Amino acid sequence: EAGVTQSPTHLIKTRGQQATLRCSPISGHTSVYWYQQALGLGLQFLLWYDEGEERNRGNFPPRFSGRQFPNYSSELNVNALELEDSALYLCASSPGDWTEQYFGPGTRLTVT
Amino acid sequence: AQKVTQAQTEISVVEKEDVTLDCVYETRDTTYYLFWYKQPPSGELVFLIRRNSFDEQNEISGRYSWNFQKSTSSFNFTITASQVVDSAVYFCALSSSGGSYIPTFGRGTSLIVHP
Repeated sequence: EAGVTQSPTHLIKTRGQQATLRCSPISGHTSVYWYQQALGLGLQFLLWYDEGEERNRGNFPPRFSGRQFPNYSSELNVNALELEDSALYLCASSPGDWTEQYFGPGTRLTVT
Repeated sequence: AQKVTQAQTEISVVEKEDVTLDCVYETRDTTYYLFWYKQPPSGELVFLIRRNSFDEQNEISGRYSWNFQKSTSSFNFTITASQVVDSAVYFCALSSSGGSYIPTFGRGTSLIVHP
């Protein structure tokens, strides 16, 4: 069974630009979660999508947004990029049961 | 509010040594879940275990074992006879109803196993 996939693996952007990160969940999983793992800060919860709806979001500014498509894949958009947005962005999926999440390999975003 | 503390930032051991990774949590909820994840250098978090607050039974899976003690709010992870492939960052996490079940992660413990 295929795991959670994320694209691209690496993304380099300039301050002020927009970044789009993509995630495909495990087949049968309806929930997708996004996390930011910045150096020295651990994993910070960003967004949770389930059945196409945003269910919860972490303490991040509105320029972090996303959506979930009918096939349950998801996009994370980061507008007006700042240097401190440089981090590993991890996507996880679960079968609607938030208690057990399976993570993808992440997208490393570098903002210069 | 919920909190997870992994006081050990980095642990270095020699292969075949036993090693225990500490995790202390805080929550006011009576229903909660505790997790351990492994993050190898590749970056992908690998789920290791989930334990709910009503099940204090310790668990053993091969060389891995977990000791859950509600009295001390701890959920420690022991690797017996460590191997080089165990080198990774290990995260403890907590989900509870008061936090809308969104996991709170500790800062992680980097385990380095030398041959």
